[in-house]
Amino acid sequence: NAGVTQTPKFRVLKTGQSMTLLCAQDMNHEYMYWYRQDPGMGLRLIHYSVGEGTTAKGEVPDGYNVSRLKKQNFLLGLESAAPSQTSVYFCASTPGGWDSNNEQFFGPGTRLTVL
Amino acid sequence: AQTVTQSQPEMSVQEAETVTLSCTYDTSESDYYLFWYKQPPSRQMILVIRQEAYKQQNATENRFSVNFQKAAKSFSLKISDSQLGDAAMYFCAYRPPTYSGGGADGLTFGKGTHLIIQP
Repeated sequence: NAGVTQTPKFRVLKTGQSMTLLCAQDMNHEYMYWYRQDPGMGLRLIHYSVGEGTTAKGEVPDGYNVSRLKKQNFLLGLESAAPSQTSVYFCASTPGGWDSNNEQFFGPGTRLTVL
Repeated sequence: AQTVTQSQPEMSVQEAETVTLSCTYDTSESDYYLFWYKQPPSRQMILVIRQEAYKQQNATENRFSVNFQKAAKSFSLKISDSQLGDAAMYFCAYRPPTYSGGGADGLTFGKGTHLIIQP
C-alpha cells in the first residue's frame, strides 16, 4: 500500500514552460487536493476534487489547471510557468463522505523552481 | 472565510520538558474539526492529533494533548517529555463541518511554528 505518491519529486522550469504534476493514491479515496507551501505561508489550497470527473477551485487557483479522469489520479498542470509558482506542492486525499473526521493523507511533496 | 493564526513562528524547549504551541482560529460555525500536523525536515505531513468541536473532552495521543477552548476559539498543542524527534514545523489546521461542504473544501492551515528541541 503506497498511500499517496507524487511525481516528480523535484523539477526546475524556465519561465513560460509547461508541466504536469501527477498525484496517485491507492486507498480508493473520493476526495483529492492540491496545496502549495511557500516559506512563512503554511499550506494553501489550489484545487480539489470530490470524485472522478469533478474539480473545483480552492484559495489560490490562478495559473493552474487540474483534471481527475481516473479516481486514483489527480493531475496539476502549469500551462505557462512563472517565478511566482516556485513552491513545494503537496497532494492529499481523504475517503470523503459525511465523516469529516477523516484524516487527509499527504504525499511527499514536489519541489518546483521556476527560473 | 476561516482564518487560522499561529502567533509563535519559533519555539525552543529542552529535551524532556513540556512545551505548548498556540493556535487561534476564526469561524462562524458551531461544529467543525481541528488538527495539528507535524512536518519534519523530510517534508512529509504527519497528523499528530485531531479534535471535533462538538466534543468537550480534549483529545490526547500519548505525549501529545490539546487544550481546546471553544468560546475563545483557541486550540493549543501540549507536548510532554519532549524528544529530539519532535523537532519539526507544526501546523494547526481547520476543517469546516460536513453540512457546509467541509472536507470537500480542504483544510485551512496556519503559518506554522518551528519547534526546536535542545539536547
